[in-house]
Amino acid sequence: QSVLTQPPSASGTPGQRVTISCSGSSSNIGNNYVHWYQHLPGTAPKLLIDRDTERPSGVPDRFSGSKSGTSASVAISGLRSEDEGDYYCAAWDDSLKNWVFGGGTKLTVL
Amino acid sequence: QVQLVQSGAEAAKPGASVKVSCKASGYTFSTYGISWVRQAPGQGLEWVGWITPYNGNMNYALKLQDRVTMTTDTSTSTVYMELRSLRSDDTAVYYCAREGRYCSGRNCDPPRHGMDVWGQGTMVTVSS
Repeated sequence: QSVLTQPPSASGTPGQRVTISCSGSSSNIGNNYVHWYQHLPGTAPKLLIDRDTERPSGVPDRFSGSKSGTSASVAISGLRSEDEGDYYCAAWDDSLKNWVFGGGTKLTVL
Repeated sequence: QVQLVQSGAEAAKPGASVKVSCKASGYTFSTYGISWVRQAPGQGLEWVGWITPYNGNMNYALKLQDRVTMTTDTSTSTVYMELRSLRSDDTAVYYCAREGRYCSGRNCDPPRHGMDVWGQGTMVTVSS
């Protein structure tokens, strides 16, 4: 059971907008930044959204992050087939003194 | 360019140890720590621990702290992760990832950024 809660799956058709949610608590998301990782098949995870809303260099502006209270989300607009993969949220947990991850959301482009 | 290159796949028996390396290049080694993250087959990402070459500070996941040791070699810009008393549920792909934390003396603040550069992953298989 992951400390952060994500839906196990999400899907959309090319061009659509999809949102993936991540729910935590005051010891993690509520008091620390949320980061999102994209993990495509056969590759290493990639930092997709840093510090709640920031896109690292090279990440298209189709990807955006938001946070409110103890929940966060990542939105993908203009969905493309190459976006298909797993998406993970992560945050530092002050109580555990650990990074905690969501269980991951498998994104399917129909 | 900034790069982390990990050692090759490992196969080990239950109860044995394994040591995986992660060689950094393209940046000043001492200015960033390295986290290790693993992914068991069909499972999600799990943080294993972190070490900084700056002052040797380390921070391990609670469930693994009795069995894991991380070390750095500044002469070769390499970080090592050793896992002992291996069990079948340690079978996973192990990734190293660059992660910065502000440190002053022996104290390091919690991370404020995500892990921005990742190694290619090392498959560790534990089987009798």
